[in-house]
Amino acid sequence: GNSVTQMEGPVTLSEEAFLTINCTYTATGYPSLFWYVQYPGEGLQLLLKATKADDKGSNKGFEATYRKETTSFHLEKGSVQVSDSAVYFCALSKGDSGGSNYKLTFGKGTLLTVNP
Amino acid sequence: ETGVTQTPRHLVMGMTNKKSLKCEQHLGHNAMYWYKQSAKKPLELMFVYSLEERVENNSVPSRFSPECPNSSHLFLHLHTLQPEDSALYLCASSQDPLALGTEAFFGQGTRLTVV
Repeated sequence: GNSVTQMEGPVTLSEEAFLTINCTYTATGYPSLFWYVQYPGEGLQLLLKATKADDKGSNKGFEATYRKETTSFHLEKGSVQVSDSAVYFCALSKGDSGGSNYKLTFGKGTLLTVNP
Repeated sequence: ETGVTQTPRHLVMGMTNKKSLKCEQHLGHNAMYWYKQSAKKPLELMFVYSLEERVENNSVPSRFSPECPNSSHLFLHLHTLQPEDSALYLCASSQDPLALGTEAFFGQGTRLTVV
């Protein structure tokens, strides 16, 4: 079946540090890939997505590139801020074998804390 | 404001109680979902409704009973729950569950504690 593996947290960084959160996936064919963010006390919000190989999703300074050859979708940001402190979820969307029903499969989430 | 509203935000209930969680979306979407978020575990998809018809039920115990009276409202009826059912329950909606790359919009969740 489909699965998503992302790096275990928590990750603690100082402001303006470089961020990488690794994500790899297992799925047949060509899933769509997503990063969602959950701020404290909130639901999940879409951060960025990519729907085909070599696509780069970007938003709010975050980027992730869909790498089919390594089945990865690592999240990066060049300079993190305190306000980026949140839990980050990697996810994929892929149809069942019948190809007619798409659903999101999430990783376990990575807690990021950015200190001033 | 995400367009998906869940009530209540917090709920404490005994194992013999009956309660309901409510979700409402103002986005004109056709699909709605219930997810369970437990500590240290991936989000678990519980139910999917498309055009008010249940299209997915991921082996969820019968003590959880969903209801979708129209495309804007989704309920999760709870009865005789167990302490291990304590979790954050998230509602989500999307334009269409059948479209590849479809984005899901989430509510803020209901933090449920079963005592």
